[in-house]
Amino acid sequence: AQRVTQPEKLLSVFKGAPVELKCNYSYSGSPELFWYVQYSRQRLQLLLRHISRESIKGFTADLNKGETSFHLKKPFAQEEDSAMYYCALSGDSSYKLIFGSGTRLLVRP
Amino acid sequence: KAGVTQTPRYLIKTRGQQVTLSCSPISGHRSVSWYQQTPGQGLQFLFEYFSETQRNKGNFPGRFSGRQFSNSRSEMNVSTLELGDSALYLCASSLGGFTGELFFGEGSRLTVL
Repeated sequence: AQRVTQPEKLLSVFKGAPVELKCNYSYSGSPELFWYVQYSRQRLQLLLRHISRESIKGFTADLNKGETSFHLKKPFAQEEDSAMYYCALSGDSSYKLIFGSGTRLLVRP
Repeated sequence: KAGVTQTPRYLIKTRGQQVTLSCSPISGHRSVSWYQQTPGQGLQFLFEYFSETQRNKGNFPGRFSGRQFSNSRSEMNVSTLELGDSALYLCASSLGGFTGELFFGEGSRLTVL
């Protein structure tokens, strides 16, 4: 079964501290992984996708097929990073995303 | 460019009634997806349409249905509402080929009493 697990409901860090939001997945084929973000009072939006191997707003994520993980990292958190983060999985051209339960990141001053 | 527009934004229904939610995608987007968001189950895929054809459907009962019109606008319908159908229903659009980049609307919040 396809599944995305985000073990932390809330992650609280101080400004300037490193951030790692965990995401583990279960999928038998070749997955495509994404991170979506929802800032306060804004719509859910794509942050980054593993296939692009890009850094967005200082965030990066590497797909580790051996550990079936796609953790989101940022070396120095900013207050504006406070938001809800969702890891999502797609595969087999299914035209759907399977979302994790989300992690709320709170960056304190 | 206007974003994805969902109407109504809020609605209250009673058990047994039916509801229709509407979604207007971003201009030029031909794919529309629907997701249900609840505190207990999170974001769950309902269905996806492209050029008036349903390409995929999630694990929801037949009470949940949808359709897409020739102008790419989409509607979803829930019949015989149950208390558990209370949720935020999110619509998302994309160009058509699946890249995983979905543009979400603000959602329609349904409360079933």
